[in-house]
Amino acid sequence: NAGVTQTPKFRILKIGQSMTLQCTQDMNHNYMYWYRQDPGMGLKLIYYSVGAGITDKGEVPNGYNVSRSTTEDFPLRLELAAPSQTSVYFCASTSRTGAYEQYFGPGTRLTVT
Amino acid sequence: GQNIDQPTEMTATEGAIVQINCTYQTSGFNGLFWYQQHAGEAPTFLSYNVLDGLEEKGRFSSFLSRSKGYSYLLLKELQMKDSASYLCAVKGNQGGKLIFGQGTELSVKP
Repeated sequence: NAGVTQTPKFRILKIGQSMTLQCTQDMNHNYMYWYRQDPGMGLKLIYYSVGAGITDKGEVPNGYNVSRSTTEDFPLRLELAAPSQTSVYFCASTSRTGAYEQYFGPGTRLTVT
Repeated sequence: GQNIDQPTEMTATEGAIVQINCTYQTSGFNGLFWYQQHAGEAPTFLSYNVLDGLEEKGRFSSFLSRSKGYSYLLLKELQMKDSASYLCAVKGNQGGKLIFGQGTELSVKP
């Protein structure tokens, strides 16, 4: 299993540009999450999904959109990039059974200038 | 409100024992996680407590007191590779969501 994969690893955007951060998991997990992590801080939840076709907002959803058309994929869309969105973005997934430990992807480092 | 507190940074010596504390006030509680995060990498799962008491896993142990809203992570026989950030996270009531503390940056010195 590849686990949780994210692309791209790094990206530089200009203010106002748009992009999609890709996230795919091959563990057949129902639950998926998007977090952002600013320097020296913990993780803040942006959006999450409990299954295909179902998404909901987390703590910091403004400026982002998500979709979940399949169990495997959970892309995060930035429509009008702003400097405040400079951060490291992590995607995670978990099963509905057991401890619900979340498995994280390697992250996408995004800079908006 | 939701609040999770842990010290910002700690320093310890190789071979020693260190305890990282976490206190929480959350509207729901369905377990507490500890994650390890090396610089520039993703968090990796260390431990999970849902009942009061101590869970031991090799050199790492985690303790939970639900009545006090308190947990700690105990690292024994510290190694240089244990230098990392340690994140405390509480699982809420909905959708397996986790609320993270800001993390404790641990530096292990020779």
